[in-house]
Amino acid sequence: EAQVTQNPRYLTVTGKKLTVTCSQNMNHEYMSWYRQDPGLGLRQIYYSMNVEVTDKGDVPEGYKVSRKEKRNFPLILESPSPNQTSLYFCASSLDPGPEGTEAFFGQGTRLTVV
Amino acid sequence: EDKVVQSPLSLVVHEGDTVTLNCSYEVTNFRSLLWYKQEKKAPTFLFMLTSSGIEKKSGRLSSILDKKELFSILNITATQTGDSAIYLCAVEGWVWGGDMRFGAGTRLTVKP
Repeated sequence: EAQVTQNPRYLTVTGKKLTVTCSQNMNHEYMSWYRQDPGLGLRQIYYSMNVEVTDKGDVPEGYKVSRKEKRNFPLILESPSPNQTSLYFCASSLDPGPEGTEAFFGQGTRLTVV
Repeated sequence: EDKVVQSPLSLVVHEGDTVTLNCSYEVTNFRSLLWYKQEKKAPTFLFMLTSSGIEKKSGRLSSILDKKELFSILNITATQTGDSAIYLCAVEGWVWGGDMRFGAGTRLTVKP
């Protein structure tokens, strides 16, 4: 089954470094991380066009990513702060071509930083 | 600055009603506009629109894009309680395929 898998689904932390994993089995080139907050929709944190190619999205502060393998795109919070409490989504898509392409989303990770 | 604006932000209707959700955008180098439905967690894909005036349909849902006026609408006819969800509009630019800008979403509640 084609899917994007995030882990964990729920996480509560108190400032300790954490990693949210994301893996896709569709051989997609493009992967990205979003956070979703009430009234703000989904905002892009980081994206990756392929292995070892990553770039900042709209809200990258406080986050790191890596893309060492095509299928995996972990999100790292070195020193989580309460304003990073949010619902996080990983997404992947094919090379879009001239007319774009849909993104496939993981099930989300609800992160609470206390 | 690129932006995507959805309206209304929230809508409550009764089963059987028809609803129209709006999405306007200002995006550099437009490539496509996508609609997603978000129920419990992950957004799921509904439509992708790239050309003006061509309606996409799937059952009771339909959508159309106006590239001149920079907006799209999503219509749902004969609404059902299962249509209750957040509907997200996203616009994809030409920077790269994953460069999607999302609107804040429209929360639709369908009452029995």
